[in-house]
Amino acid sequence: EDQVTQSPEALRLQEGESSSLNCSYTVSGLRGLFWYRQDPGKGPEFLFTLYSAGEEKEKERLKATLTKKESFLHITAPKPEDSATYLCAVQVGGSARQLTFGSGTQLTVLP
Amino acid sequence: DGGITQSPKYLFRKEGQNVTLSCEQNLNHDAMYWYRQDPGQGLRLIYYSQIVNDFQKGDIAEGYSVSREKKESFPLTVTSAQKNPTAFYLCASTSGTGGYGYTFGSGTRLTVV
Repeated sequence: EDQVTQSPEALRLQEGESSSLNCSYTVSGLRGLFWYRQDPGKGPEFLFTLYSAGEEKEKERLKATLTKKESFLHITAPKPEDSATYLCAVQVGGSARQLTFGSGTQLTVLP
Repeated sequence: DGGITQSPKYLFRKEGQNVTLSCEQNLNHDAMYWYRQDPGQGLRLIYYSQIVNDFQKGDIAEGYSVSREKKESFPLTVTSAQKNPTAFYLCASTSGTGGYGYTFGSGTRLTVV
């Protein structure tokens, strides 16, 4: 069974304090790993897709990396507006493009 | 602008009542999905459809039903058989390539009263 585990469940940072969120996965035939941002009461917003180990993608203060067993979302010098829940999801081959989601990391950045 | 529209934003259901959640997209996406989100849990797949007039059960389909009569629309009915329907419901769609994952709607929060 495909499994996606995110840690920590919650993270509180001071503004400017860099950190990383983890997404570990156990799947057969990874087709892609996705990161989303979700604000309270809203639908998830797409951030990144990673396809193979060693791949990295960046967007403003966020950088996502991928290994064969896990992905990290690095947040550099975060600002209060980065506060949100960050979701990780995996897509496996032959799955009708279904995504399996982790339970998310709730990030709070304090001013 | 293209996107997915879910309505209503808030919905209240009485015991024994069926309710229908609307999901409409103008992205020309082939595949559409319904997920349920509970506090502290990941999104769980209810139903999905890859083409018109065809759909498959996800991991938690019991107590739910769907239809896909048009490419743009994928309504979800929460039936009285669903014993714990209070949750946040998300509709999503994707194109053939799937490289951008899903585009999500803004969600419907369903509460049993």
